[in-house]
Amino acid sequence: DGGITQSPKYLFRKEGQNVTLSCEQNLNHDAMYWYRQDPGQGLRLIYYSQIVNDFQKGDIAEGYSVSREKKESFPLTVTSAQKNPTAFYLCASSTLPLTGWGAFFGQGTRLTVV
Amino acid sequence: AQSVAQPEDQVNVAEGNPLTVKCTYSVSGNPYLFWYVQYPNRGLQFLLKYITGDNLVKGSYGFEAEFNKSQTSFHLKKPSALVSDSALYFCAVRDLNAGNNRKLIWGLGTSLAVNP
Repeated sequence: DGGITQSPKYLFRKEGQNVTLSCEQNLNHDAMYWYRQDPGQGLRLIYYSQIVNDFQKGDIAEGYSVSREKKESFPLTVTSAQKNPTAFYLCASSTLPLTGWGAFFGQGTRLTVV
Repeated sequence: AQSVAQPEDQVNVAEGNPLTVKCTYSVSGNPYLFWYVQYPNRGLQFLLKYITGDNLVKGSYGFEAEFNKSQTSFHLKKPSALVSDSALYFCAVRDLNAGNNRKLIWGLGTSLAVNP
């Protein structure tokens, strides 16, 4: 079945550690996105990528990094520079054309700093 | 500035009654509007979208939404609510300042509780 897979579902990080969240899609979508969700704040865009080897910062990119070496994969690294990383992270993808645009989401990764 | 507002944090309805989840938007051009649903600890699922055409859009799970340009609204509706509809609902609009980049501006979400 086609879809977006995020792993792990739950992740625990110690203070000062970098962690990487995985996002893989087999939908052949060009665009991929990372969102952060906190209670009462809706979805906030961290990074997005329109094509392989290219990505742009979203609204809250500080303390995060991404790569897009393959069309199917868009991993997110939460670095030690991110001061408040505990949140629910959602990966999404979408395809062309613009008039058909809609995003498909993964099941999310809940990151907790311990 | 472009924005999306969901004026109600929570909506409570009885099972079998019609439900409405409100959304208003502010964009400088023709809006692309979306509704998504999120069940606890899960990702978001696409419900429906308005790009152009009929103002009444039908989507998944019996939901529909009405685009009202004069009121800049895109309210989500269902004629008869089910307990299983209880979830968090998000309205979103395409960010027209992002050019060809497909960015969305998200509402803060409305928690729908359908009581048996």
